[in-house]
Amino acid sequence: RKEVEQDPGPFNVPEGATVAFNCTYSNSASQSFFWYRQDCRKEPKLLMSVYSSGNEDGRFTAQLNRASQYISLLIRDSKLSDSATYLCVVPPSRTDRGSTLGRLYFGRGTQLTVWP
Amino acid sequence: EPEVTQTPSHQVTQMGQEVILRCVPISNHLYFYWYRQILGQKVEFLVSFYNNEISEKSEIFDDQFSVERPDGSNFTLKIRSTKLEDSAMYFCASIGNRGLYGYTFGSGTRLTVV
Repeated sequence: RKEVEQDPGPFNVPEGATVAFNCTYSNSASQSFFWYRQDCRKEPKLLMSVYSSGNEDGRFTAQLNRASQYISLLIRDSKLSDSATYLCVVPPSRTDRGSTLGRLYFGRGTQLTVWP
Repeated sequence: EPEVTQTPSHQVTQMGQEVILRCVPISNHLYFYWYRQILGQKVEFLVSFYNNEISEKSEIFDDQFSVERPDGSNFTLKIRSTKLEDSAMYFCASIGNRGLYGYTFGSGTRLTVV
């Protein structure tokens, strides 16, 4: 059983489009979630954290559905610079080892290419 | 913005040789990690380190691997006898004691075993 599963992608969209990525996780006790962005052969960089039902930051909106164990990332008005791989990342729940600071579980990532 | 620094950025080594990958975590962070990413695959956890000892390790982190925090600032990953399949990007990460703001990753070391 995979801890984190993401849309396989790739997504190829024109500038200005709205695009959404989905992610499911297996540990129902997980409390917090992250979306990271990774450019080719670079390190993952934190894009958004999600602790409650959702979070919005400019053009980016993350939503959480705990009942379905599902997280989404919506990007509005796509820019060329949004082209990257988007990683759904789930930390362990507090019940796993008594801490939320253990290993992160990464999805395989969804590749996005925004074209002019 | 504070950074996690990794050196070298790229290392080429012969199979069977020992390599040491170096990391300088953010100065007030308390938890340190090594992850790796084989080309085209997902990021995988190797080991976490807290209070000068390993707190968790994955099945990948076998006897060939070791970590150390030799001087209070550096955090190293040693691979004793490299194999071809150790070729990957190795990322160091650190986090403060609240864990609410995500993990900060270093820019990585690309290890190529030939």
